[in-house]
Amino acid sequence: GAVVSQHPSWVICKSGTSVKIECRSLDFQATTMFWYRQFPKQSLMLMATSNEGSKATYEQGVEKDKFLINHASLTLSTLTVTSAHPEDSSFYICSARDRRWAGAYEQYFGPGTRLTVT
Amino acid sequence: DQQVKQNSPSLSVQEGRISILNCDYTNSMFDYFLWYKKYPAEGPTFLISISSIKDKNEDGRFTVFLNKSAKHLSLHIVPSQPGDSAVYFCAASAYSGGGADGLTFGKGTHLIIQP
Repeated sequence: GAVVSQHPSWVICKSGTSVKIECRSLDFQATTMFWYRQFPKQSLMLMATSNEGSKATYEQGVEKDKFLINHASLTLSTLTVTSAHPEDSSFYICSARDRRWAGAYEQYFGPGTRLTVT
Repeated sequence: DQQVKQNSPSLSVQEGRISILNCDYTNSMFDYFLWYKKYPAEGPTFLISISSIKDKNEDGRFTVFLNKSAKHLSLHIVPSQPGDSAVYFCAASAYSGGGADGLTFGKGTHLIIQP
């Protein structure tokens, strides 16, 4: 149980284009999903918290107009990197919290998406 | 400013022995701590967690100890197995308003189990 998928797993795009990454909870419903990013040999950094049906909350320093997050259903959140630049190249990972455990802290992570901007 | 610190980038342990991974934190608002295991180009896998009201939690070969006064936690793996070789991340969270916050991660410790 508690499986989270991401699509695509790997994407290359040209500078200036937009890329959408999907995050799905496959066997549970998630009222809250999180987006992280990891640079090589660095820690995972929280980018934003996404609650179903409401606007995402972004961490300090994360541009909300550049990283558009939509959490349209209890099983799907999307991250769109708009006007991507090479410095946006990174490993993007989503996680989800099971809505059945309202007070739970545990998050289940997707496999990640490697974005390379050329 | 790193709120969660894993000061050992790597750790090498012989198979069958105990692996001890350490983690320190600075934010006293953190009230829940988690350990994740991660392979390159994959998402983290949840291992074990502990609430700040406890000082120990055990699950099979994995035990997490929390010393709240020292703001220190450790993960013990015993006995260590070759499949345990991976990067281990310590993470912390606080509860606020509508639920638990997103996780703050340390930089990870690369555990290498030698045969």
